[in-house]
Order: sequence, then C-alpha cells, then structure tokens
Amino acid sequence: DAGVTQSPTHLIKTRGQHVTLRCSPISGHKSVSWYQQVLGQGPQFIFQYYEKEERGRGNFPDRFSARQFPNYSSELNVNALLLGDSALYLCASSPDVNYGYTFGSGTRLTVV
Amino acid sequence: QKEVEQNSGPLSVPEGAIASLNCTYSDRGSQSFFWYRQYSGKSPELIMSIYSNGDKEDGRFTAQLNKASQYVSLLIRDSQPSDSATYLCAVRPTNTGNQFYFGTGTSLTVIP
Repeated sequence: DAGVTQSPTHLIKTRGQHVTLRCSPISGHKSVSWYQQVLGQGPQFIFQYYEKEERGRGNFPDRFSARQFPNYSSELNVNALLLGDSALYLCASSPDVNYGYTFGSGTRLTVV
Repeated sequence: QKEVEQNSGPLSVPEGAIASLNCTYSDRGSQSFFWYRQYSGKSPELIMSIYSNGDKEDGRFTAQLNKASQYVSLLIRDSQPSDSATYLCAVRPTNTGNQFYFGTGTSLTVIP
C-alpha cells in the first residue's frame, strides 16, 4: 500500500513568489492535515480537511490556503512568500479526525 | 505557557538500558495523546497512541498517561542504537477543533 505521498520533495522559491504543494493521502483516509516544521521545533498545525471541508485552521496568515479534492488529495498554497516560510511542510492523513496521523515525507521549501 | 512541553534533551542512554521520555500538557480536558519518532531529515512516524489513564505496551515501547497530573511518558526498554532519534509528543486538546499540538521533541541517543 502506498503511504502518504507529497510533491515536490524539494523546492526553492524567491521572496514574493507563490507555491503549491500537493498531497495524496493513504487510500481510504478522508482526513488530511498540513503542518509546518522549522528546524528544531515540533510541527505546527496549518489546516485540516475532512470530507473536503475545512475542519480546522491554525494561526497562520491568510497567505496560506488549502483545499481538498473529491479524491481526498489536497493542495497547500502559499502566496507572497517570505524568508520565514522556509520549512519542511508535512501532509498527514488519518481515517478520521481523532486518529493518529500518518505523515508523508514532506516538502522542503527554501525561500531565498 | 506552551500547550505541550518536553525536555529537549539530549538524552543519552547506553544500549540495553531503559529510556524514559516525558511530556506535560496544559489542557486538562485533552483526550488523545500520541508519540512520534523522527529521524534526522525524515518525517515523523507514529509509534504509540494512548487515550485512557494507565499504561499501554507495544513491543519494547510503553506509553503511560496520567490525566490528573497532565503527564504522558514513553518508556523504551532494551534501547538500541536504531532508537536514536527525536521523539515528539502530540496532544489533541478538546477546544481546538481537530488540530494536534506537538512538543518540540526530545533528542535521544543510544550509545553502543
């Protein structure tokens, strides 16, 4: 069985640009969450989607947005990139909202 | 006060010893607790979940939960060098929708 897949694995962007990160959950998982992890810190919650509806939003600016598609895959969009957005972006899926997550391998975003 | 607190370590134990990792949380009504292992440069991997007071054992791992003291711990018996990683505690509080809060992680080194 395929795990949670994320693309791309690495990305370098310039300040002010836009980025789209993609995630495919484990088959049968309807909940997808996005987390940001900077070096030396634990993951910080950005969004959760369940059955294509937003179920939670973390303390991130409106430059961050996301959506979930009918096949339960998800996109995270970040506009007007700042240097501080450089981080590992993790997608996680679970069968339901209260289960532990399975994380993807992440997208390493570097903003220069 | 942070929602989830862990000693950042580093914690060093000899091979074969018991490693004890601790975590405290602020929301007394929290119901779901998880331990993740994260190797350097990799994404977090779920190793234990616990929902009720007491101990839960899975192989060499034991999770302990004390809701009265707002304390959750992870014991690793017969520690192996392959257990060297950062261990993240995650808590789902009751009033945050569906997000999980992660601690900053405890770095464990098992010395051969």
